[in-house]
Amino acid sequence: DTGVSQDPRHKITKRGQNVTFRCDPISEHNRLYWYRQTLGQGPEFLTYFQNEAQLEKSRLLSDRFSAERPKGSFSTLEIQRTEQGDSAMYLCASSTRQATGYTFGSGTRLTVV
Amino acid sequence: AQSVTQLGSHVSVSEGALVLLRCNYSSSVPPYLFWYVQYPNQGLQLLLKYTSAATLVKGINGFEAEFKKSETSFHLTKPSAHMSDAAEYFCAVSFIQGAQKLVFGQGTRLTINP
Repeated sequence: DTGVSQDPRHKITKRGQNVTFRCDPISEHNRLYWYRQTLGQGPEFLTYFQNEAQLEKSRLLSDRFSAERPKGSFSTLEIQRTEQGDSAMYLCASSTRQATGYTFGSGTRLTVV
Repeated sequence: AQSVTQLGSHVSVSEGALVLLRCNYSSSVPPYLFWYVQYPNQGLQLLLKYTSAATLVKGINGFEAEFKKSETSFHLTKPSAHMSDAAEYFCAVSFIQGAQKLVFGQGTRLTINP
């Protein structure tokens, strides 16, 4: 069990650029979640996959955000035309369908300048 | 709708003293409740969880929490604080069914004084 891996750990980008983050869940976990955490706040739910199906998306996930999990394993979160308000920690988590609570990765900290 | 309120954004205790971090929740259905800890620039680590079994839940690092339905509370305690307990603590609630997405409180930053 290598845990949930996220890449990169840190990303600095200029406003208007596109960025993509990757999450590799624990191998036997079929559920995968993305959360966003801004400074001084608790994480907020963005979206959730069961296997390759994206089953729920938050209103926070604007049209500039897209998430995929093409083969039910790793997932990517893309932000197009980044804005300063997108600066946050993006957290990925995974679990089995039967589990309560899940395992978080270390996150990707995005800074938009 | 579910929500979580953590009373006190900052708590400071002396090393060896009791740690008490407060969490109240609102849920229209029986909840699952969680406490997570976050160290600087890290993800969240599960401390303990309540899933409708015993109301007193023991977790890692000597922490425990008690589910009190009448008070809609799930306060986190540790009898004796250690310097390594300094971190941000988050209480969270989720539904039993469905996606089990977590709704987090605002967090409480715990400082330990030597």
